[in-house]
Amino acid sequence: GEDVEQSLFLSVREGDSSVINCTYTDSSSTYLYWYKQEPGAGLQLLTYIFSNMDMKQDQRLTVLLNKKDKHLSLRIADTQTGDSAIYFCAETVSGYSTLTFGKGTMLLVSP
Amino acid sequence: SQTIHQWPATLVQPVGSPLSLECTVEGTSNPNLYWYRQAAGRGLQLLFYSVGIGQISSEVPQNLSASRPQDRQFILSSKKLLLSDSGFYLCAWSPKRGRNEQFFGPGTRLTVL
Repeated sequence: GEDVEQSLFLSVREGDSSVINCTYTDSSSTYLYWYKQEPGAGLQLLTYIFSNMDMKQDQRLTVLLNKKDKHLSLRIADTQTGDSAIYFCAETVSGYSTLTFGKGTMLLVSP
Repeated sequence: SQTIHQWPATLVQPVGSPLSLECTVEGTSNPNLYWYRQAAGRGLQLLFYSVGIGQISSEVPQNLSASRPQDRQFILSSKKLLLSDSGFYLCAWSPKRGRNEQFFGPGTRLTVL
């Protein structure tokens, strides 16, 4: 089946940039998403990118998509302690009802 | 705006007892609905999804079942809980048109003792 892979853990200092990476296998992917999960809470949709785009910026968040390498990244500028959470990458194919999620990257931001 | 509710927020149940978790969505109609389980290892496991009333797709065979008695209500049930059913249960909805993005509820923490 299709697969989405992420590194499990990332540690950064407050004020630095964080880059969370994701690779996927489905070449038919139409939309790719980043979700954030804080402890004990549900997942919050952060941003998405359409497969015909290679970059999307939204305030401190920058999403880069390399469709040839099936690689997606999320860059968080000026990372704050409140950004500490688990970040999930997900993909879907247009017309499908389900998403495929990665296992999540735990981001720890130290002061 | 749309909101999604789950209850209860936490639940402690003995092995062999029944289970009923409820999810309701407000502010939209005819959504797709999903149940996920998140074990301690963090990954999300899709359990069931529904594209309409009475329509349930099961992703993983186990002792859980789901029902959708109303358009915006999704229920997860079990007749007899196992220890391995412990976890964090998340409900989500998505619109039928657009980008397929899913919006998640706050979750139910289930501990089976």
